[in-house]
Amino acid sequence: NAGVMQNPRHLVRRRGQEARLRCSPMKGHSHVYWYRQLPEEGLKFMVYLQKENIIDESGMPKERFSAEFPKEGPSILRIQQVVRGDSAAYFCASSPRTARDEKLFFGSGTQLSVL
Amino acid sequence: KNEVEQSPQNLTAQEGEFITINCSYSVGISALHWLQQHPGGGIVSLFMLSSGKKKHGRLIATINIQEKHSSLHITASHPRDSAVYICAVSPGGADGLTFGKGTHLIIQP
Repeated sequence: NAGVMQNPRHLVRRRGQEARLRCSPMKGHSHVYWYRQLPEEGLKFMVYLQKENIIDESGMPKERFSAEFPKEGPSILRIQQVVRGDSAAYFCASSPRTARDEKLFFGSGTQLSVL
Repeated sequence: KNEVEQSPQNLTAQEGEFITINCSYSVGISALHWLQQHPGGGIVSLFMLSSGKKKHGRLIATINIQEKHSSLHITASHPRDSAVYICAVSPGGADGLTFGKGTHLIIQP
């Protein structure tokens, strides 16, 4: 049973480009969380999704950021018109139930660098 | 808003020492998680607690709901335990975790 798979591991974008980060949860996990870790800062919750539904996006910036978790395929975190401040490590975690009830399994993260 | 405070921020110890990392939070929660982040960046979930105590190998986690406090203990510490240990809480009624800033632990041989 493969773990949580994130790709790419490293992504370099120029200001104004789009970034797409992918997360394939562990088999049997229908709950996906995205977190961001800015340099020298702690992890911050961004969004919580279940299959085809956004449950809580209270941690996601209102503009330029969007997330989806389609019925088939990985969860995608999309950042449009990236700026230097978006440079961070983005982690995805999955779980068979909510974080209130179950341990989370984390991917290795995507390091986004905006030039 | 739930504030999560960890102490100490940095800890250097000798191999074999007993290690304690503390976590305090400000409002009621439904669960508390301890995570380990290695220098390469990968994050591993060590424990999820809602009450009492859990043990896994040389790691022990405890939580006191009334005092809003949790501790992570490492017995017979080893250099491979060197990592950042992060406390995170799941506020009641919400699903997004709130994280502490982490404790940087270095175990010297």
